[in-house]
Amino acid sequence: DGGITQSPKYLFRKEGQNVTLSCEQNLNHDAMYWYRQDPGQGLRLIYYSQIVNDFQKGDIAEGYSVSREKKESFPLTVTSAQKNPTAFYLCASSKEGRATNEKLFFGSGTQLSVL
Amino acid sequence: AQSVTQLGSHVSVSEGALVLLRCNYSSSVPPYLFWYVQYPNQGLQLLLKYTSAATLVKGINGFEAEFKKSETSFHLTKPSAHMSDAAEYFCAVSTNTGNQFYFGTGTSLTVIP
Repeated sequence: DGGITQSPKYLFRKEGQNVTLSCEQNLNHDAMYWYRQDPGQGLRLIYYSQIVNDFQKGDIAEGYSVSREKKESFPLTVTSAQKNPTAFYLCASSKEGRATNEKLFFGSGTQLSVL
Repeated sequence: AQSVTQLGSHVSVSEGALVLLRCNYSSSVPPYLFWYVQYPNQGLQLLLKYTSAATLVKGINGFEAEFKKSETSFHLTKPSAHMSDAAEYFCAVSTNTGNQFYFGTGTSLTVIP
């Protein structure tokens, strides 16, 4: 079945540690997105990529980094510079390289918590 | 720039009652509008979308939404709530001149038996 796979489902970060969240899609979609979800704040865009080897900052990119070396993969690294990383992280993709009228396909999310 | 406002972070309805979840948008160009549903600890699933065809859009699970340009609204309705409708609902907007989807803060729907 085609879809988006996020791993791990739960992740714990120690103080000063970098952690990487995995996102893989087999939908052959051009665009991929990372969102952060906090209670009462909805989804906020961290980074997005419209094509391989290219990505742009979203609204809350500070303390995060990404790469897009392969079309199917868009890993997110939460660095030690992100002082409040506890949140639910959602990866999404869309067929087109632009956010037009195409729907987003979402993974099942990763819950990141700080030890 | 585009934005979405969802009025009411929590809505409770009785089983069998009308569901009305409100969404207002701001956009300087014709918008594309979406409603997504999220069940606990899961990603979001598309309920329906408006893309400038019919103003009344029917989605999955008996939901529908009406695009009203004069009111800049895209409210989600369902005639009769079911227990399985309990979830978080998000309204989102995009345009053909932008690169992003903008989401509202979400409305948590509780269905009372």
